[in-house]
Amino acid sequence: GDSVTQMEGPVTLSEEAFLTINCTYTATGYPSLFWYVQYPGEGLQLLLKATKADDKGSNKGFEATYRKETTSFHLEKGSVQVSDSAVYFCALIRLTGGGNKLTFGTGTQLKVEL
Amino acid sequence: DTAVSQTPKYLVTQMGNDKSIKCEQNLGHDTMYWYKQDSKKFLKIMFSYNNKELIINETVPNRFSPKSPDKAHLNLHINSLELGDSAVYFCASSQDRLAGATWGELFFGEGSRLTVL
Repeated sequence: GDSVTQMEGPVTLSEEAFLTINCTYTATGYPSLFWYVQYPGEGLQLLLKATKADDKGSNKGFEATYRKETTSFHLEKGSVQVSDSAVYFCALIRLTGGGNKLTFGTGTQLKVEL
Repeated sequence: DTAVSQTPKYLVTQMGNDKSIKCEQNLGHDTMYWYKQDSKKFLKIMFSYNNKELIINETVPNRFSPKSPDKAHLNLHINSLELGDSAVYFCASSQDRLAGATWGELFFGEGSRLTVL
């Protein structure tokens, strides 16, 4: 079945540091890939997405590139802020006859300190 | 206007009780979901409804029963609550038309934190 593997957290960084959160996936066919973010006490919200190989999703300074050859979708940001502290989820979706089920990774908590 | 709203936001109850969580979306989406998030933030899909029809039913105890009176509402009823049911339950919705710009994107509610004592 489909699966998503993320690096374990928590990841603790100083403000303005470079961020990478690794994500790899296993899926047949051509999934679409997503990063969701969950701020403390809130629901998940879409951060960025990519629907085909070599697509780059970007939003709020975050980027991720859909790499089919390495089955990866790593999240990066050049300079993190305290306000980026949250839990980040990598996810994939495939169109199936049984409904569009989003498969999530386990989440990576990011803490950014001054 | 809140796109996906859940009530109640917090629920504290005793073991053995029955409780319900309600969800409503005003996005005009076709599909709604219930997810369970445990204390380690792991998200597990429980159910999905498309136009009031159950389409995803993961391995969930039959004490959990979803009901969708119309495509804008999806409720979750839990019988005989157990300690292990303590979690945050998230409702979400999505538009499944392939041509839509938001295809595959789930819109989440703020969650309902259930604590079973």
